[in-house]
Amino acid sequence: SQTIHQWPATLVQPVGSPLSLECTVEGTSNPNLYWYRQAAGRGLQLLFYSVGIGQISSEVPQNLSASRPQDRQFILSSKKLLLSDSGFYLCAWTWASGGPTEFFGPGTRLTVL
Amino acid sequence: GQQLNQSPQSMFIQEGEDVSMNCTSSSIFNTWLWYKQDPGEGPVLLIALYKAGELTSNGRLTAQFGITRKDSFLNISASIPSDVGIYFCAGQPGGGADGLTFGKGTHLIIQP
Repeated sequence: SQTIHQWPATLVQPVGSPLSLECTVEGTSNPNLYWYRQAAGRGLQLLFYSVGIGQISSEVPQNLSASRPQDRQFILSSKKLLLSDSGFYLCAWTWASGGPTEFFGPGTRLTVL
Repeated sequence: GQQLNQSPQSMFIQEGEDVSMNCTSSSIFNTWLWYKQDPGEGPVLLIALYKAGELTSNGRLTAQFGITRKDSFLNISASIPSDVGIYFCAGQPGGGADGLTFGKGTHLIIQP
């Protein structure tokens, strides 16, 4: 079976500090990977997606970047966090062979102070 | 970008009642999905709809993909306390690896 992991689960960071969130998927190969952000009480906003190693598509201009150094690893980063970067960050995966159904990880709660 | 209008924003119901929520869009979606999210957790897929007009059930849940491809509804019959949470509709406008567009969610609260 497939599982998706995210860490850390929670993070409190000062404004201007760097960020690195990690997502890994087990039990499948060459998944499509996604990063979403969810503001408090709001829906999910797609930030980045990747169809393969080193391939990143950005959906919205922002202070964040993403990288995919390995097939089943997806990293969300920032050089300098802003207050507005606070939120719940969710990683998701889909089968590469088709079907848009996305499976979500447990999320990372980021608070920027 | 595309937007999904999800309603109602919140629902306060009695245990045992049926629930209905829906999503509409000004543009066509090729796939509709319904998720449930518990506090502090990632969304969990409830039902996926891939064809216009499709009606699919999952236990007490029933969802339909509108004929126009611009809407979908989710019904929950005989609600129970564990149904509490936030329900999201999501759609994918095209094929391929494009991510999903999400509605803003319906917060379901069940009063004993």
